[in-house]
Amino acid sequence: AQSVTQLGSHVSVSEGALVLLRCNYSSSVPPYLFWYVQYPNQGLQLLLKYTSAATLVKGINGFEAEFKKSETSFHLTKPSAHMSDAAEYFCAVRGQGAQKLVFGQGTRLTINP
Amino acid sequence: GAVVSQHPSRVICKSGTSVKIECRSLDFQATTMFWYRQFPKQSLMLMATSNEGSKATYEQGVEKDKFLINHASLTLSTLTVTSAHPEDSSFYICSASGTPNEKLFFGSGTQLSVL
Repeated sequence: AQSVTQLGSHVSVSEGALVLLRCNYSSSVPPYLFWYVQYPNQGLQLLLKYTSAATLVKGINGFEAEFKKSETSFHLTKPSAHMSDAAEYFCAVRGQGAQKLVFGQGTRLTINP
Repeated sequence: GAVVSQHPSRVICKSGTSVKIECRSLDFQATTMFWYRQFPKQSLMLMATSNEGSKATYEQGVEKDKFLINHASLTLSTLTVTSAHPEDSSFYICSASGTPNEKLFFGSGTQLSVL
């Protein structure tokens, strides 16, 4: 079985500051890991994904995440926050060969001017 | 990129009526579609997985007679909320995939409000 835990339901940073959204996973098989962003009343947009290739994954909008097996983590970072980054972010896991995507609880990112 | 169209985006209905939500893959054949439910400020909870031409697989705790899923073609899946009640009010999101390991594409969601 797979699961993910996102630490912090709400993160607030200043514009231009580092963004760090934490995600830890649990998986009985090698996982595929994902970060999605959701803007109000919209569906989900894929930011990036890890599929057992490079451990440092670069995504859209300047985001990146690093897969650390020893820490079972897949934290999302962005060097400099922009006002448009304010949204809900979801970490998700899927076992290789599995169909089902399991989401974390979500982290709401607020950007302060 | 691939597009999944979900319709309607918002629906308000009276208690006891049924509501149908459509999810269409516009430029690829979706062999698998997923239906999620999201309560305010919470995560997405998978309701069911449907493979084209076969019966949907429901997650534990999801009433299959309440939430009817049809995936009759490779481009269309529908979720029907039967005899809707206020507690069914939620944001419903579909996603579609061409193969088990391909990227999932999400619809824009449907906000259901049952009065």
